[in-house]
Amino acid sequence: GAVVSQHPSWVICKSGTSVKIECRSLDFQATTMFWYRQFPKQSLMLMATSNEGSKATYEQGVEKDKFLINHASLTLSTLTVTSAHPEDSSFYICSARGAGAAETQYFGPGTRLLVL
Amino acid sequence: GQNIDQPTEMTATEGAIVQINCTYQTSGFNGLFWYQQHAGEAPTFLSYNVLDGLEEKGRFSSFLSRSKGYSYLLLKELQMKDSASYLCAVMDSNYQLIWGAGTKLIIKP
Repeated sequence: GAVVSQHPSWVICKSGTSVKIECRSLDFQATTMFWYRQFPKQSLMLMATSNEGSKATYEQGVEKDKFLINHASLTLSTLTVTSAHPEDSSFYICSARGAGAAETQYFGPGTRLLVL
Repeated sequence: GQNIDQPTEMTATEGAIVQINCTYQTSGFNGLFWYQQHAGEAPTFLSYNVLDGLEEKGRFSSFLSRSKGYSYLLLKELQMKDSASYLCAVMDSNYQLIWGAGTKLIIKP
């Protein structure tokens, strides 16, 4: 149980294009989903928290107009990196949590984004 | 401020036992999590402690002392595949996860 998938696992794109990453909870309803970014050999950095049906809450320093998050259903959240630039190249990981606020976060396998 | 401390790196020998410590100072406490992260992969959940004491799960055990703001992850019968980073995370009073920087565990034959 508690399986989270992410798609795609790898993305290579040209600078200026937009990239959409999907995060799905496969066997449970994810009331809350989280989006993280991790640069090589660095810690996980929380970008934003999204609750189903409401606007995402972004961490300080994360541009909400650049990283668009949609959590339209209890099993799907999407992150769109708009007008991607080379500095956006990173490992993007989503996690999902059930209805209880103290429940465990389960992570998707991550998406590697390389912007040329 | 909120703070999670864990050693940056540890080295241990295959077959041995290793203890990874985590100390925390957070605004409130709703549980402590340990995750394992292999290089280039996403974290996977290992354990959750919300009450004091030891939780055992196979070769891995996790201990919590809320009064001391302290936890440890104990790995027994180490295998080469246990080489990974181990992340300590505390859920604060707002149910936000505060992450430690992780401990890179290197297992030598």
